[in-house]
Amino acid sequence: LAKTTQPISMDSYEGQEVNITCSHNNIATNDYITWYQQFPSQGPRFIIQGYKTKVTNEVASLFIPADRKSSTLSLPRVSLSDTAVYYCLVEGAGAGSYQLTFGKGTKLSVIP
Amino acid sequence: AAGVIQSPRHLIKEKRETATLKCYPIPRHDTVYWYQQGPGQDPQFLISFYEKMQSDKGSIPDRFSAQQFSDYHSELNMSSLELGDSALYFCASRPSPSLNTEAFFGQGTRLTVV
Repeated sequence: LAKTTQPISMDSYEGQEVNITCSHNNIATNDYITWYQQFPSQGPRFIIQGYKTKVTNEVASLFIPADRKSSTLSLPRVSLSDTAVYYCLVEGAGAGSYQLTFGKGTKLSVIP
Repeated sequence: AAGVIQSPRHLIKEKRETATLKCYPIPRHDTVYWYQQGPGQDPQFLISFYEKMQSDKGSIPDRFSAQQFSDYHSELNMSSLELGDSALYFCASRPSPSLNTEAFFGQGTRLTVV
């Protein structure tokens, strides 16, 4: 499994764009990158997934450079309700099975 | 839309007792994952099932066991409970273990061991 590294915490003011970068140096050819959001005492919630280049949906964008050794989750114009922990996951097949493993996430605090 | 249902939502047990947590996946989802999340910690993968067979195993203690039934619901059985087992337990389901499907998480069961 590719190990992921993210900042432990980030602060941002409301209305700003937030970029959270995740390193995954040993990502395998068939691996996808997925981001989840988790509020306190709630289950994680899927945000976005990508394989390469750029993916955008209604809540976020995901930028993946050509070497795929990192990825950046971009949240446009954050609000207080975006305060949460954000997890970067690298999903792939290993030993004939699939895993969905969380590393250490980034705690985003949005300040009024 | 139907979501992942976990029961019970809260459970209080004494040390050395047993507990059974249940997870009902979204209809037509055949893959279930179980996680343990202690206070201030990240979700730790315990075990997963695909088509009623165990597909992967993480840091699940030997005191815990789990299975997926014919209707795809799953149960996590925990015996000889310890104080350190107090945590939020989440299950997640997805349509298949293929890579580009999102996993849907339940609201969790908060287990308190006293």
